[in-house]
Amino acid sequence: EVQLVESGGGLVQPGGSLRLSCSTSGFTFSDYAMSWVRQTPGKGLEYVSGINNNGGSTYYADSVKGRFTISRDQSKNTLYLQMSSLRVEDTAVYYCVKGFYFDDWGQGTLVTVSS
Amino acid sequence: DIQMTQSPSSLSASVGDRVTITCRASQGIRNDLGWYQQKPGKAPKRLIYAASSLQSGVPSRFSGSGSGTEFTLTISSLQPEDFATYYCLQHNSYPRTFGQGTRLEIK
Repeated sequence: EVQLVESGGGLVQPGGSLRLSCSTSGFTFSDYAMSWVRQTPGKGLEYVSGINNNGGSTYYADSVKGRFTISRDQSKNTLYLQMSSLRVEDTAVYYCVKGFYFDDWGQGTLVTVSS
Repeated sequence: DIQMTQSPSSLSASVGDRVTITCRASQGIRNDLGWYQQKPGKAPKRLIYAASSLQSGVPSRFSGSGSGTEFTLTISSLQPEDFATYYCLQHNSYPRTFGQGTRLEIK
């Protein structure tokens, strides 16, 4: 069974940093591209960032480019999202998503940016 | 960026009704589209991939069609558990983009 478990969310002040992790199991992590998608409370879904299966290519939404960094640790089957210079508008539930075709989703971790 | 325009934004229907949700892409995306269902407090769940392929375990009352710029999700006979929000997603190019969502409510 595919499992994606996000962690690292919480309350942070504007301008602060946070690192999200997504621990995976139930599939061969190194075979799959991975992504982060966020959802503002009560709103729709927004693609944040993606990384190919070997970590050689990364993609970012314009809204986070230059502030967020996606990475993966194949030995730990874990996906990361390093977030810096956080803004109030980054407040959202962040989902870890498996695959090029967005096959499976984690349950999400809430990031709140507020003073 | 490819814009995905989803309609309607909300829909009121009854158990047993047939409903259709549409997504239009701002440029051709072949069949690189998925449909997702999301219930309150839960993660999205994929229903359809490659525009018309049914995800394993998803009831056959769900179907998808389309190619290029226009796509539809059809639920042939609404069941109580189908009342949720539905999203389309294009994975033809980066950044991936979602439709705005369709909230399906009980009439």
